[in-house]
Amino acid sequence: EPEVTQTPSHQVTQMGQEVILRCVPISNHLYFYWYRQILGQKVEFLVSFYNNEISEKSEIFDDQFSVERPDGSNFTLKIRSTKLEDSAMYFCASNKRQANTEAFFGQGTRLTVV
Amino acid sequence: GNSVTQMEGPVTLSEEAFLTINCTYTATGYPSLFWYVQYPGEGLQLLLKATKADDKGSNKGFEATYRKETTSFHLEKGSVQVSDSAVYFCALSERGRGSTLGRLYFGRGTQLTVWP
Repeated sequence: EPEVTQTPSHQVTQMGQEVILRCVPISNHLYFYWYRQILGQKVEFLVSFYNNEISEKSEIFDDQFSVERPDGSNFTLKIRSTKLEDSAMYFCASNKRQANTEAFFGQGTRLTVV
Repeated sequence: GNSVTQMEGPVTLSEEAFLTINCTYTATGYPSLFWYVQYPGEGLQLLLKATKADDKGSNKGFEATYRKETTSFHLEKGSVQVSDSAVYFCALSERGRGSTLGRLYFGRGTQLTVWP
């Protein structure tokens, strides 16, 4: 069964460092998303991506964040200069179509900023 | 705006007990409603969905009915098993307008623990 794959499963980084979280969406999907969940809080939307550009981003997704799909398979989230409050579980998701269809999620990357 | 409110956890039940996890929503458009489940160490998996009023989603013995009049989508199961222990998330996705389509709005999640 096709699945969304995220690497690494756990990343520890020092404050101020850049991190790149990687995702391989399901191959015939067209819409890609990043969400995050700070421990004990809601799963929050960060950004959606379609046709090689951002289609929507939340207020959380500021200039420190960027996404790209460099090679048609990987979908990455970069945090330029991490802060302690960026510590969270980051989920990648993909969808064949936008609405009414299932979004498939990866297992998540736990980012710990120290 | 769009938001989802679900009952606070944790919920602890004995095996074969009846489960209800309440979920209510606020939406500006005509949402689709979902329940996702996260088993320990795994990602979010779709459990069931409903796309219009009065639809009932069902899967693995779980059910939820889209109630537009009460803006609710409560999750129920008649007889829970130990293997149902997980975190359950209610979510909505808006339909009918541009670029917000597909974005999911989640509740906080409800931790369910089932004891044998």
